[in-house]
Amino acid sequence: ETGVTQTPRHLVMGMTNKKSLKCEQHLGHNAMYWYKQSAKKPLELMFVYSLEERVENNSVPSRFSPECPNSSHLFLHLHTLQPEDSALYLCASSQGAGTYYEQYFGPGTRLTVT
Amino acid sequence: AQSVTQLDSQVPVFEEAPVELRCNYSSSVSVYLFWYVQYPNQGLQLLLKYLSGSTLVKGINGFEAEFNKSQTSFHLRKPSVHISDTAEYFCAVSDTNSGGSNYKLTFGKGTLLTVNP
Repeated sequence: ETGVTQTPRHLVMGMTNKKSLKCEQHLGHNAMYWYKQSAKKPLELMFVYSLEERVENNSVPSRFSPECPNSSHLFLHLHTLQPEDSALYLCASSQGAGTYYEQYFGPGTRLTVT
Repeated sequence: AQSVTQLDSQVPVFEEAPVELRCNYSSSVSVYLFWYVQYPNQGLQLLLKYLSGSTLVKGINGFEAEFNKSQTSFHLRKPSVHISDTAEYFCAVSDTNSGGSNYKLTFGKGTLLTVNP
């Protein structure tokens, strides 16, 4: 595997379910990001991790819970989601934290909340 | 607060024609500027970026952009497009925030470029 991978690629869940999204980067980077891409809305930054420490939480509801166990892996734990949470969730990584560094994106997980 | 406006949500062009995708931003501080491309069912890929220096920035796949501070614009251009350039293009801005770390990219809503034969 190369670059940034995300699993699953598609996920359908009910509002009472608990699920997790997984991201793995094979680039030796120190920073990882979660973004939400909704139809007809700009890409929104959700969380930033630098050296496994959360450095940014962009006012995300608590039903989204990130976890970064090491610099190569990032999870997004989901529970009691709402239909408006349906979106494409993108993971990215960069050599360092901060917009000076190029971010490399995974292909995303298409989430549908029913 | 920053914002990015991509004036055209869709731009159809014929193959080998030139194209310009427009991007305007608002910010009260100095900025970094970016263009990303997203092909169907893929994540975003960086096309080019302006951090400092020359205002004309060249990127991958023959694209270039020019930073115009007075007009707060960062338009993307390509002199001759190919069918394979069909994708969605996103402009993004961030503060340079020299006093500390800045993690937030503010994106525009995107422009769908469709190249027709």
